[in-house]
This record gives sequence, C-alpha cells and structure tokens, in this order.
Amino acid sequence: GAGVSQSPSNKVTEKGKDVELRCDPISGHTALYWYRQSLGQGLEFLIYFQGNSAPDKSGLPSDRFSAERTGGSVSTLTIQRTQQEDSAVYLCASSQAGGITGELFFGEGSRLTVL
Amino acid sequence: DAKTTQPPSMDCAEGRAANLPCNHSTISGNEYVYWYRQIHSQGPQYIIHGLKNNETNEMASLIITEDRKSSTLILPHATLRDTAVYYCIALRGDDYKLSFGAGTTVTVRA
Repeated sequence: GAGVSQSPSNKVTEKGKDVELRCDPISGHTALYWYRQSLGQGLEFLIYFQGNSAPDKSGLPSDRFSAERTGGSVSTLTIQRTQQEDSAVYLCASSQAGGITGELFFGEGSRLTVL
Repeated sequence: DAKTTQPPSMDCAEGRAANLPCNHSTISGNEYVYWYRQIHSQGPQYIIHGLKNNETNEMASLIITEDRKSSTLILPHATLRDTAVYYCIALRGDDYKLSFGAGTTVTVRA
C-alpha cells in the first residue's frame, strides 16, 4: 500500500503474555519511529531507527519493551510480560531521507488492551 | 526543543476560517514550527511547517510573528472533517524527535 501499515489493528491479551506489533513503513523511507498513546493522552516517543545507525531507544519505558528493524524496512515492537499499564495505541511512523526532517507519516496504530 | 503552549480547546463554525494560536516564546533560531493534527482514531497527520516566513499549502496557512515567539495556523474554510486535535511542535533542524503535547481540540460545528 501507499501508507504506513500496522498490524494487528487491535490486540487483546492477558497480563503476563508477550505481544508483537508489526510496522511496514512507506517503501524507501529510511527513518522509522514508534510512539505510544495512552487513552486521552499525548504521544510518547518510544524508539527511532535511521538506516543502519544504532537506534535511539531512549523512550522505551522498561526493559520489557524492545524493537527491531530487519533489512531496513519492517519493524517489530515486542512487549514481554505485558502489564495493564501497557494498554495503549502503538503508533508507527516513517519519514524519508532528504525529505522534511519533521514530516512523519503515521500508520493507523495498533490498539493493545491488556486484561 | 522549545516548549509550545496552545489553548486546550476551541470551536469554530463550518465554512469560516479557523485560527489556531501557538505560543513558543523560547524558540531558538534553528527551530522550526511544525503543525500536525490527529483525527479521532487515526494517526497524526502532518499539516505544515515553517521557520521564519509565512507558509501556505493546500491544507492550511502558517503565520509566524516577526519575533518568532508565536504562530497561528489558519484553516481557511473549516469543514466538519477538520474536527481534530491540532499539535504545534518546535523542532530543531537537526533533530528528529517530535514531542507532542496536549494540543488544541478543535470542534467544527455546522
């Protein structure tokens, strides 16, 4: 597709389970971001990938959170041993090299509910 | 990046211009002003950005004061589909980490 694609769109899981959220960025975009948005809150930066550089993981809230980006394209955000406070919409965004630095293209998000 | 301040909410009438203010009194010379919006249940959408000069595109106009301490996003003819949360963000030219605050919830009324 033409836009950023995220899956699943909705995920309900039990406390303590691991979850994986997937992001397919726009083809050719070298930068990829993950943000989190809790109910009624603003967006919280989680992690940033740019090409082959080491990712900026400064926003990951705990060591239960990790992300990887394979082949410079698809990214997976993994949350281990989920907690109820992890319930949120997880948003992925991408941007292109040489484009406007702050012009991010966001996906629709993956809504995670931890019971 | 500089802190931005926006009113929490505003209403506007359909078909009229919507003027959304943003204060960024501590902005530095190399920080751009970006505007995004987030329609309910969607990801944020880039609208426009600027440094010093006023900017216009197919979505909106951005007016930045001469001292760069504030700016206004103008939606020239608001429609019901413009109802959204609008975020004003200051970002250095060499930075990549957009920080989204609470934004302004804009409700366009028929």
